[in-house]
Amino acid sequence: EAGVVQSPRYKIIEKKQPVAFWCNPISGHNTLYWYLQNLGQGPELLIRYENEEAVDDSQLPKDRFSAERLKGVDSTLKIQPAELGDSAVYLCASSLGGQFLGGVNEQFFGPGTRLTVL
Amino acid sequence: QKEVEQNSGPLSVPEGAIASLNCTYSDRGSQSFFWYRQYSGKSPELIMFIYSNGDKEDGRFTAQLNKASQYVSLLIRDSQPSDSATYLCAVNEGGTALIFGKGTTLSVSS
Repeated sequence: EAGVVQSPRYKIIEKKQPVAFWCNPISGHNTLYWYLQNLGQGPELLIRYENEEAVDDSQLPKDRFSAERLKGVDSTLKIQPAELGDSAVYLCASSLGGQFLGGVNEQFFGPGTRLTVL
Repeated sequence: QKEVEQNSGPLSVPEGAIASLNCTYSDRGSQSFFWYRQYSGKSPELIMFIYSNGDKEDGRFTAQLNKASQYVSLLIRDSQPSDSATYLCAVNEGGTALIFGKGTTLSVSS
């Protein structure tokens, strides 16, 4: 079974330029997450999708960040314009979603996109 | 602000020893607790999860949960150099979102 796929793996841009990241979740996983991970920190949730609906985007800086998950499968995260502080690893994860008594399903992470803003 | 706290380390243990990694969380309503391992430059991979108070064992790994103390730990027995990585504690805060700690770096020397 293929895992979570992300592209590109690395991206170097100059500040004020736009950038986009793409994610393809594990087949059948209806929940998709975008996380940001700074060096020496744990992942921080940016946005969570249940199918095509963004159900938690409270941590997404909406002035410059946008995301979409058309048709409830692939997702794209965009930054426009990028700032120096956006340099980080952007991780996509997916899960079967939903909850069951006492817990939630595990999340599987993609390899991430390492963004460097110069 | 809901928080997950971990000692950043590094935690250094000799090969064959037991490594003990600790995590505390602030939200008493948390239900699910996960330990992820992250090698340098790689993405997190799930090692174990635990939902009920007590111990859960899987091979060389044991997760321990004490909800009254809001404490979860990971024990690695017979530590190997290949266990050297950053270990992330993650807590389900509600819905399906996870809050991650900053991670503890483990170094196992041969």
